[in-house]
Amino acid sequence: EPEVTQTPSHQVTQMGQEVILRCVPISNHLYFYWYRQILGQKVEFLVSFYNNEISEKSEIFDDQFSVERPDGSNFTLKIRSTKLEDSAMYFCASSEQAGGTDTQYFGPGTRLTVL
Amino acid sequence: AQSVTQLGSHVSVSEGALVLLRCNYSSSVPPYLFWYVQYPNQGLQLLLKYTSAATLVKGINGFEAEFKKSETSFHLTKPSAHMSDAAEYFCAVTSPQGAQKLVFGQGTRLTINP
Repeated sequence: EPEVTQTPSHQVTQMGQEVILRCVPISNHLYFYWYRQILGQKVEFLVSFYNNEISEKSEIFDDQFSVERPDGSNFTLKIRSTKLEDSAMYFCASSEQAGGTDTQYFGPGTRLTVL
Repeated sequence: AQSVTQLGSHVSVSEGALVLLRCNYSSSVPPYLFWYVQYPNQGLQLLLKYTSAATLVKGINGFEAEFKKSETSFHLTKPSAHMSDAAEYFCAVTSPQGAQKLVFGQGTRLTINP
C-alpha cells in the first residue's frame, strides 16, 4: 500500500540553525500539507500546498518557514532560523484531491529537537 | 472557526470491554469529521470519516462512530477491546467548503488492560 515517508525520523539542531524536513508524498497525490505537534499539545495545521503554491497557511507559518516541491517526488519544509519553541513532531500529509471529503494520508513524522 | 474537544486524555479499558472515546466539535458550517489512530512510531492512520451521508459510520478494526448534530458529538466506539487497539486516537474536523486543513483534538491515549 502506498504511504507517505518522511526523513529524518529525528533531527537535533542548535538554535538559530536552518533545518529542512523532507517528505515523499503518495505518488498520484496533488495536495500536500504540513502539521506539527508540540509535546503534550494538539496536532496543528501549518500549511497546505497545491500546484506549486501555498493554498492556505496558519498564523504559525510565519516568514521563518517555507515549503517547496523541488522535484516530482519530494516536498520539503524549511525552518530558516530555528527557535527553542520549534521543537515538535512535524507531520507531512498528502491527499489526492482537496476538500473535506478526501482523506489526508500522514507520514510517520520527524521529531525536531532544538537545543 | 472550528474546534474539537476530546474528553479524557487517557482512557483505560479491559480487554473485551467496550471502548468509548469522546469527541465534541464546534463548527459554524456543516462539518466533516474524522477519527485518526496513531500507533507508536507510526503516522496518523484514518479510522473513519463522516461526510454528511449516514450518521453512523463504520471504520476499520471494528470501530464505529455516530454523528449527533444535536449533541455536536462524534464519539468513537468499539464493542470489544483488543490488546492491539492500544494507541493514541485523534478526532478532527474540517469543512466541506474548500478548506483543506484538519483541526484536531488533543488526542486520547487508549490503554488496554489484560
